[in-house]
Amino acid sequence: GNSVTQMEGPVTLSEEAFLTINCTYTATGYPSLFWYVQYPGEGLQLLLKATKADDKGSNKGFEATYRKETTSFHLEKGSVQVSDSAVYFCALYSGNTGKLIFGQGTTLQVKP
Amino acid sequence: KAGVTQTPRYLIKTRGQQVTLSCSPISGHRSVSWYQQTPGQGLQFLFEYFSETQRNKGNFPGRFSGRQFSNSRSEMNVSTLELGDSALYLCASSLGHRDPATGELFFGEGSRLTVL
Repeated sequence: GNSVTQMEGPVTLSEEAFLTINCTYTATGYPSLFWYVQYPGEGLQLLLKATKADDKGSNKGFEATYRKETTSFHLEKGSVQVSDSAVYFCALYSGNTGKLIFGQGTTLQVKP
Repeated sequence: KAGVTQTPRYLIKTRGQQVTLSCSPISGHRSVSWYQQTPGQGLQFLFEYFSETQRNKGNFPGRFSGRQFSNSRSEMNVSTLELGDSALYLCASSLGHRDPATGELFFGEGSRLTVL
């Protein structure tokens, strides 16, 4: 069945460091891929998305490229800020299942 | 434009009781999905409603049920509560059902249920 695997956290970085959070998926067909972010005490917010192979999603300095050959959708940011501290979820949506499937989440902590 | 509203935000129940959670989607959104979030299991899909019909259901026991009203508002109910039902229950809405944009869900802040 469909599944998403994220790198385990927590990830602790200093401000202005480079961020990579790995995400790989298993799916039949051609799913859409998403990154959601959850700040403390809040619900999830869509960070970026890609709906087909080689698409690059980007938002707020974050980027992720839909790589079908490696079934990956790694999240990157060139220079993180303290305000980026949150839990990041990779997710896939397949029209076959009609539901969003999430990875386990990766906690990012950015220190000044 | 108001976001997804969930009530109550926090509640405490005891084992064996039942609970009803409410979700008001973004105006114009017709699809409502529910997710359970726990530290151990992460985010797990409960069910999705569209046009007052349950379209998808996750792998949860029959104690978990839901419904959607004609104004797209949704409720979920958990009967005979167990300690393991303690979780953050998230509601999410989207415009439609089963199109590529459907994965773009808009989440509420959740209802945090504690079962004692």
